[in-house]
Amino acid sequence: EPEVTQTPSHQVTQMGQEVILRCVPISNHLYFYWYRQILGQKVEFLVSFYNNEISEKSEIFDDQFSVERPDGSNFTLKIRSTKLEDSAMYFCASSSRTGGSPLHFGNGTRLTVT
Amino acid sequence: DQQVKQNSPSLSVQEGRISILNCDYTNSMFDYFLWYKKYPAEGPTFLISISSIKDKNEDGRFTVFLNKSAKHLSLHIVPSQPGDSAVYFCAASENNFNKFYFGSGTKLNVKP
Repeated sequence: EPEVTQTPSHQVTQMGQEVILRCVPISNHLYFYWYRQILGQKVEFLVSFYNNEISEKSEIFDDQFSVERPDGSNFTLKIRSTKLEDSAMYFCASSSRTGGSPLHFGNGTRLTVT
Repeated sequence: DQQVKQNSPSLSVQEGRISILNCDYTNSMFDYFLWYKKYPAEGPTFLISISSIKDKNEDGRFTVFLNKSAKHLSLHIVPSQPGDSAVYFCAASENNFNKFYFGSGTKLNVKP
């Protein structure tokens, strides 16, 4: 069964450094997402992406965050200058269509900011 | 953000019995609901969905019930198996946006 893959599984970085989290969505999916889960808290929506542009973003997704689909397969989340509170599990997801289709998640990248 | 709530952080059930996981929401515009299962160190795995035009959807051992007037949905697992032990999340969206709001999860433990 096709799956969403994320790399790395764990990323440790120092505060103020830039990080790029990578995702390969399911190949025939058109909609891509990033969610995050801070330890002990809810899974939170960050951003959705379709047709090479952001379709919706949350208040969490400020100017420090950006997303890109640099080629036909990868989908990346960049955090320009990490803060301690960015430490979380970051999940990439994809879906085949908007409106009433489930999201398929990757196994996540655990980001630890020290 | 408390638009989706799962008020039971944990549930323990004997193998073979029914597991009932509950979820409440506040936004009457939500019209598509999902249940996900999550094991440690893995991403959420889609289980079952329901749209607001239905009040029940069944898939094997899993049934989701939706009560729109009460803004409440539940997931029934019958019979429960030890492999069902995981954290279960409900999620809701307004259909056009694909932006899902998640509950805080219920940790299900199915005892052999």
